[in-house]
Amino acid sequence: QVHLVESGGGVVQPGRSLRLSCTASGFTFSNFAMHWVRQAPGKGLEWVALISYDGGEKFYADSVKGRSTISRDNSDSTLYLQMRSLRREDTAVYYCATSFYSTGPDYLDHWGPGTLVTVSS
Amino acid sequence: QFALTQPASVSGSPGQSITISCTGTSSDVGGYDYVSWYQQHPGKAPKLIIYEVIHRPSAVSNRFSGSKSGNTASLTISELQAEDEAEYYCFSYTTSSARVFGGGTKVTVL
Repeated sequence: QVHLVESGGGVVQPGRSLRLSCTASGFTFSNFAMHWVRQAPGKGLEWVALISYDGGEKFYADSVKGRSTISRDNSDSTLYLQMRSLRREDTAVYYCATSFYSTGPDYLDHWGPGTLVTVSS
Repeated sequence: QFALTQPASVSGSPGQSITISCTGTSSDVGGYDYVSWYQQHPGKAPKLIIYEVIHRPSAVSNRFSGSKSGNTASLTISELQAEDEAEYYCFSYTTSSARVFGGGTKVTVL
């Protein structure tokens, strides 16, 4: 059974950095692309970033491009999102989600419960 | 990257059918058969209900169906039930290899 758990959220001041983690189990993590998706309080879903199965391809939403880095450790079945120069508008619940495929066009098969990031002074 | 366009809300009575539209461009919805739909109840993570325009995961009720015409994808919920009251989002692959969600549609069961 696929199990995803995000961690690393919390309250952080504007301009600071934060690293989110997503620990995966129940499937062969190294075979699948992974995504980060966020949801600001009371708002809709926003796709943030994706990484291919081997880390060779990475894509970002314009809203985080240049400020965020997605990475993965296949030996540890863990996905990461390093966020820098945080802004108040980055406040959201951050979800990790599995792709059904290793790379290329896809859909989001399984989701974690999310971790809340609050950017506030 | 602009969000795909969905109606803010759709409502129906139990037993009725409703349809939610998701309009994009030829660079996303219209260009690829990689539109998926997600159901989200308050306080919960989203759940996949339709993938690749028309396909339904085995555990999802056959009351949910998807289609696409041109730049618009649609989700139809037939025989509406109280448990269908939730937020629904479409999601698409794009030409730049980025992904994009729709703005979300709140479904109310009257």
